[in-house]
Amino acid sequence: LAKTTQPISMDSYEGQEVNITCSHNNIATNDYITWYQQFPSQGPRFIIQGYKTKVTNEVASLFIPADRKSSTLSLPRVSLSDTAVYYCLVGFDKLIFGTGTRLQVFP
Amino acid sequence: GAVVSQHPSRVICKSGTSVKIECRSLDFQATTMFWYRQFPKKSLMLMATSNEGSKATYEQGVEKDKFLINHASLTLSTLTVTSAHPEDSSFYICSAPDRGASGANVLTFGAGSRLTVL
Repeated sequence: LAKTTQPISMDSYEGQEVNITCSHNNIATNDYITWYQQFPSQGPRFIIQGYKTKVTNEVASLFIPADRKSSTLSLPRVSLSDTAVYYCLVGFDKLIFGTGTRLQVFP
Repeated sequence: GAVVSQHPSRVICKSGTSVKIECRSLDFQATTMFWYRQFPKKSLMLMATSNEGSKATYEQGVEKDKFLINHASLTLSTLTVTSAHPEDSSFYICSAPDRGASGANVLTFGAGSRLTVL
């Protein structure tokens, strides 16, 4: 199973774009990259999933370079409610959580 | 979208008692469910994978006799913490995988169950 590495924490201000990068050097050919958001005392919530290049949905974008050894979750114009922990997971069937990135958004 | 219901959300019990946590997939069938454990300000740790109609698969270091997992139907998986002790106090979260458009797993999580053992 591919191990992931993310920054432990990040700070931002409301209205800014936030980019969280995840390293996964030993990603397998059939692995997908999935990002989840977790608020305190709640189960994680799916944000976005991708395999290569760029994926965009209504809440985020996911950028994956050609070598797929890293990925970047982009949150446009964050608000206070985006304060949460963000997890990058790599896999196809079994998904193992890494340390996650604690994002704090300030007014 | 897919919904996973988990109960109870909070439970307090005395040391030595057993506690059962239920996880139901409400609008889809889940032949597999994953059970995670999370300590304060820590990441989720996969405990076991429950499989409908067969034995659960436990991760290394997880006591099978302490954490009994049953997956009796395609919509229900249960985790029973037997003879609970204070060190079992934690946040337990279940999830059910659903194949996304890509074919890879997308996990839908329950709301979690906070267990406090006195």
